[in-house]
Amino acid sequence: GQQLNQSPQSMFIQEGEDVSMNCTSSSIFNTWLWYKQDPGEGPVLLIALYKAGELTSNGRLTAQFGITRKDSFLNISASIPSDVGIYFCAGQKAGKTSGSRLTFGEGTQLTVNP
Amino acid sequence: NAGVMQNPRHLVRRRGQEARLRCSPMKGHSHVYWYRQLPEEGLKFMVYLQKENIIDESGMPKERFSAEFPKEGPSILRIQQVVRGDSAAYFCASATTGDYGEQYFGPGTRLTVT
Repeated sequence: GQQLNQSPQSMFIQEGEDVSMNCTSSSIFNTWLWYKQDPGEGPVLLIALYKAGELTSNGRLTAQFGITRKDSFLNISASIPSDVGIYFCAGQKAGKTSGSRLTFGEGTQLTVNP
Repeated sequence: NAGVMQNPRHLVRRRGQEARLRCSPMKGHSHVYWYRQLPEEGLKFMVYLQKENIIDESGMPKERFSAEFPKEGPSILRIQQVVRGDSAAYFCASATTGDYGEQYFGPGTRLTVT
């Protein structure tokens, strides 16, 4: 089935550092979404991107929708301990049936050392 | 302003029993998606439903699994004759539209089959 390649799988950083992670796909998506998941909880939506080339920020988070529509990246600036968690990218095609389901990457586990 | 609600949060079943997982979407959302997450993995799409209709069940195993979203009440994911391989976290997400766009997740049901 469809797969998104998300990297890196894990990151260990110091508090205050910037973080970057990305997702690539062999096929085109019309929407990219980034989620954060804490242990024992459901994914929480961070940023949604709808247009190729779009750059969107949410506080210290910035995400971009790649021009080719086959990739996206997420940056976190000035990391803090509460940024710890697993970050997932998700791609979505379009259309009322199979298009709206999300295809997820395998996640990036972020650890922030105080 | 309640989010997506799922219950139970934890469910333990013996092999061969039935598991029923419930999901109440956010207020105003009529589109529900179910995803499964195995340990250390990303989420995988199972089924997409609107009120009283299954729109896309391409991710659902052909046997033992069924889903419904009745006119009144929560969406139900039902697993008959559970096996150990069914142990996973099951998440539902809801959305205002089924074409594309943001999906909001519940806290999940952790199913353990003993």
